[in-house]
Amino acid sequence: QQQVKQSPQSLIVQKGGISIINCAYENTAFDYFPWYQQFPGKGPALLIAIRPDVSEKKEGRFTISFNKSAKQFSLHIMDSQPGDSATYFCAASKYSGGSNYKLTFGKGTLLTVNP
Amino acid sequence: GAGVSQSPSNKVTEKGKDVELRCDPISGHTALYWYRQSLGQGLEFLIYFQGNSAPDKSGLPSDRFSAERTGGSVSTLTIQRTQQEDSAVYLCASSLGQGREKLFFGSGTQLSVL
Repeated sequence: QQQVKQSPQSLIVQKGGISIINCAYENTAFDYFPWYQQFPGKGPALLIAIRPDVSEKKEGRFTISFNKSAKQFSLHIMDSQPGDSATYFCAASKYSGGSNYKLTFGKGTLLTVNP
Repeated sequence: GAGVSQSPSNKVTEKGKDVELRCDPISGHTALYWYRQSLGQGLEFLIYFQGNSAPDKSGLPSDRFSAERTGGSVSTLTIQRTQQEDSAVYLCASSLGQGREKLFFGSGTQLSVL
């Protein structure tokens, strides 16, 4: 059972373009939605995160849009650069007791930004 | 250390052998996670340690997989009688254990079972 569905699996964008990656979830108990960025040979690193009480969060060229009623959220990368080429994972977290907020990840999107 | 350290970075083993993967979390981080990353399958949760609480083992795929965390710091993931389908990158992450927060990942151990 895949709790967080991510699309597309891969994405090619020209330098300066907008990259858009989408995620959908089913479990309404999820209450924290981060995006992680992973470069080859490295572990994922937190890029940006949002909570469901806001519809959008922007940090530099990266924006998360969140639609609670549709149970969807997306990552937008404005003015995409070759250095943004990486695998992006969306994730969702829910309270699991104590201080446990276990993250469930999507399957990832391989982004390639051509120069 | 400055970050989460995992060893070895690469491990090649024969089918049926046991392997141990090590994770040194960031000092002071009480939460420690193991994830498995297979090609095209994203990050699969394996096990979670939080302080002195009983670990959440709900993601371990079979009884061949086990993990321990000694002294609230270093963790070892053990895979017994390895199978070819165990080939993957095993990632460890740690955090302050305070809830919805940033996970710091190591670079992982690439396990290849021949």
